[in-house]
Amino acid sequence: SAVISQKPSRDICQRGTSLTIQCQVDSQVTMMFWYRQQPGQSLTLIATANQGSEATYESGFVIDKFPISRPNLTFSTLTVSNMSPEDSSIYLCSTDRVYGYTFGSGTRLTVV
Amino acid sequence: KQEVTQIPAALSVPEGENLVLNCSFTDSAIYNLQWFRQDPGKGLTSLLLIQSSQREQTSGRLNASLDKSSGRSTLYIAASQPGDSATYLCAVSPSSYNTDKLIFGTGTRLQVFP
Repeated sequence: SAVISQKPSRDICQRGTSLTIQCQVDSQVTMMFWYRQQPGQSLTLIATANQGSEATYESGFVIDKFPISRPNLTFSTLTVSNMSPEDSSIYLCSTDRVYGYTFGSGTRLTVV
Repeated sequence: KQEVTQIPAALSVPEGENLVLNCSFTDSAIYNLQWFRQDPGKGLTSLLLIQSSQREQTSGRLNASLDKSSGRSTLYIAASQPGDSATYLCAVSPSSYNTDKLIFGTGTRLQVFP
């Protein structure tokens, strides 16, 4: 399985600002996934990120709000844009099944 | 639309008990089912993965079963320990073009006390 380094681990941000979350993988991974876990709830898939193409977003999530970059096979970023308190959640990245569905340690975001 | 539900939502037991956590899903057309453990601040750890053609998987004190036709899976934890305290999540992979995406259940928060 792969190892993912996710940063930052937590942040407190002002309403209206943006935060970029980074995930670095120690292996070359075809697909990466971004999930959101709202307080007291389970994980919901935001989008699938393939290298060299635009991310594929799930229903209810849009690129303008959650732009994703995937510049190479070992790195991806998720930006949470124009934040509101409703964006307060834990955000996690993961690899595909070839690398054992490895997850990052998560970013706990609080918007005030 | 696939929905995954876990029962119970929370469980508190004394050390040494054998436990059964339940997971149900509404669409039996799945590629695989996986059980994860979530510890605060440490992301998710994969425990067991069952392919759709399999009926169970075992790892140490953990045993997971899958009945795809009835849309159910159970995670059995033998001789529970305080270190087992965590949130347990089941997740299914849909049987479609993107078999790597996961649909998570609602989770069971387990506390094992000495």
